[in-house]
Amino acid sequence: KAGVTQTPRYLIKTRGQQVTLSCSPISGHRSVSWYQQTPGQGLQFLFEYFSETQRNKGNFPGRFSGRQFSNSRSEMNVSTLELGDSALYLCASSVDGRNQPQHFGDGTRLSIL
Amino acid sequence: DQQVKQNSPSLSVQEGRISILNCDYTNSMFDYFLWYKKYPAEGPTFLISISSIKDKNEDGRFTVFLNKSAKHLSLHIVPSQPGDSAVYFCAAYTGNQFYFGTGTSLTVIP
Repeated sequence: KAGVTQTPRYLIKTRGQQVTLSCSPISGHRSVSWYQQTPGQGLQFLFEYFSETQRNKGNFPGRFSGRQFSNSRSEMNVSTLELGDSALYLCASSVDGRNQPQHFGDGTRLSIL
Repeated sequence: DQQVKQNSPSLSVQEGRISILNCDYTNSMFDYFLWYKKYPAEGPTFLISISSIKDKNEDGRFTVFLNKSAKHLSLHIVPSQPGDSAVYFCAAYTGNQFYFGTGTSLTVIP
């Protein structure tokens, strides 16, 4: 069974640009969550999508947005990139997003110059 | 506001001994708790979980203990092996969201 796939693995951008990250969940998983991990911080919750609808949202500015497609694949977009956006972005999927383990991808390492 | 805290950034243990990783939380509404392990350049992988209605759950060398009155969660690894060297995250769930700690880096010394 294929795991969660995130693309690209590495990305370098400059301030002011925008970026789109992609996540393909495990087959049959309808919940996809996004997290930001920075040094010294835990995984900070960005948002969760379920059946193409954003169901939950963390405390991040509106520059961070996402969407989910009918096949459960999800994309995350960050506009007007700032130096502080440099981080590892992780995607996690589960069957329905409730109290069950999430399965994580290996992340996209985003570096802002 | 960090609702889930791992106060020890790192821990070193001799191979064969017990590793104890700790986690504290502040929100009494958390009803499900998990531990994840993370190797460099990989995503976190699920280790073990526990529901708030239990106080202990075992899976092989891994045991999770939950003390709800103290709002404290711990992971015991017995015996510790060099392959257990990784960063361990605790996480807690309430209603609609998972909250993660900042991680503890475990080094098992051969």
